[in-house]
Amino acid sequence: AQSVTQLDSQVPVFEEAPVELRCNYSSSVSVYLFWYVQYPNQGLQLLLKYLSGSTLVESINGFEAEFNKSQTSFHLRKPSVHISDTAEYFCAVSDRRMNRQGAQKLVFGQGTRLTINP
Amino acid sequence: NAGVTQTPKFQVLKTGQSMTLQCAQDMNHEYMSWYRQDPGMGLRLIHYSVGAGITDQGEVPNGYNVSRSTTEDFPLRLLSAAPSQTSVYFCASSYHRDSGNTIYFGEGSWLTVV
Repeated sequence: AQSVTQLDSQVPVFEEAPVELRCNYSSSVSVYLFWYVQYPNQGLQLLLKYLSGSTLVESINGFEAEFNKSQTSFHLRKPSVHISDTAEYFCAVSDRRMNRQGAQKLVFGQGTRLTINP
Repeated sequence: NAGVTQTPKFQVLKTGQSMTLQCAQDMNHEYMSWYRQDPGMGLRLIHYSVGAGITDQGEVPNGYNVSRSTTEDFPLRLLSAAPSQTSVYFCASSYHRDSGNTIYFGEGSWLTVV
């Protein structure tokens, strides 16, 4: 079974400052890794994901995350945040193998609330 | 361009009442699922389905029923609501044949049980 730990429940930063949201996972098998974002009063949207290949993945709005297999981490970073980045961010992991029913089972971390101060 | 649609968005129930949260998707996705979101606990999987007529339990299935009669719809039924079921519920869907697929979420249903 997999588990995900997001080390910070809340991260306040000033606008235009850099930010890192930390995510560590535990798994005995190979996994896929995801970051989802939830803006206020909305559902979750995929921000970026790591499937294979380059360990650094990027989103269209300037976020990036690096898969570190030895440290079992998938931290999310942005060099300069904007007010519009205020949201809750969820790290998630899924087993690369499908389960017996052929289902994708996504395990989420507890979430990190990113607050941007002007 | 509807994606995943959930109704109702807000609901208040009395303890012991039953209700159904509706979920529909128009992307022809085989895989549909229900999650509940509680503060400090992330999202937890309640039930899921890999196609019409096929459902299975997730991490927290007790107190909930599902059925999948069509590819498009996946309703979640609360049989006898309890205050512990106060939560935000999200329906989600994806193509299930690859566990790296993106999961698409509805906008959520806020349920309060008093």
